[in-house]
Amino acid sequence: QKEVEQNSGPLSVPEGAIASLNCTYSDRVSQSFFWYRQYSGKSPELIMSIYSNGDKEDGRFTAQLNKASQYVSLLIRDSQPSDSATYLCAVNFAFTGNQFYFGTGTSLTVIP
Amino acid sequence: IAGITQAPTSQILAAGRRMTLRCTQDMRHNAMYWYRQDLGLGLRLIHYSNTAGTTGKGEVPDGYSVSRANTDDFPLTLASAVPSQTSVYFCASSRAENEKLFFGSGTQLSVL
Repeated sequence: QKEVEQNSGPLSVPEGAIASLNCTYSDRVSQSFFWYRQYSGKSPELIMSIYSNGDKEDGRFTAQLNKASQYVSLLIRDSQPSDSATYLCAVNFAFTGNQFYFGTGTSLTVIP
Repeated sequence: IAGITQAPTSQILAAGRRMTLRCTQDMRHNAMYWYRQDLGLGLRLIHYSNTAGTTGKGEVPDGYSVSRANTDDFPLTLASAVPSQTSVYFCASSRAENEKLFFGSGTQLSVL
């Protein structure tokens, strides 16, 4: 079992809809959680970070963390075609010396 | 522009050759990382360094070595390249442990 798992997709949503991206992680002490967006042929760029249980909102993006269920999600409201990309979930586990583990990513397509 | 510079952008290498991928950051970040990205496997950590003078092994360190002589530079060396090392390599940095990663633009390496 991988440390961090995501559905590879592809996930398709119509423009203006809510896109929901999910990530689960292994049963280890975890410190911090990140969502990155990666356009084809480009490097990952940070969208959100979340460190404690609950919701964190930033513009059209909301990250949700539930440590008891080992689950972190990203909601994108009012999805735009420019949101079409691969979304990567990353987890920094405690006692690993500062290693970030990434999921394989979920491909999102927003249909105009 | 502040950020992370990787070189070369792409390289074709004969198996058995030695190769060093260069990474330089000008953000005075303490921590630096090397990842490889392969289709279906996502980003996997090769080596990392939490501060100048220290390094650590990630998920897939075999066949690779790193050094961190100063804060800004973190080169990755393939002593004797093999075809399975064909990948896209990303260098990343973070201000401190457990903080968000900033990525370089990547190096596409093909080992034939």
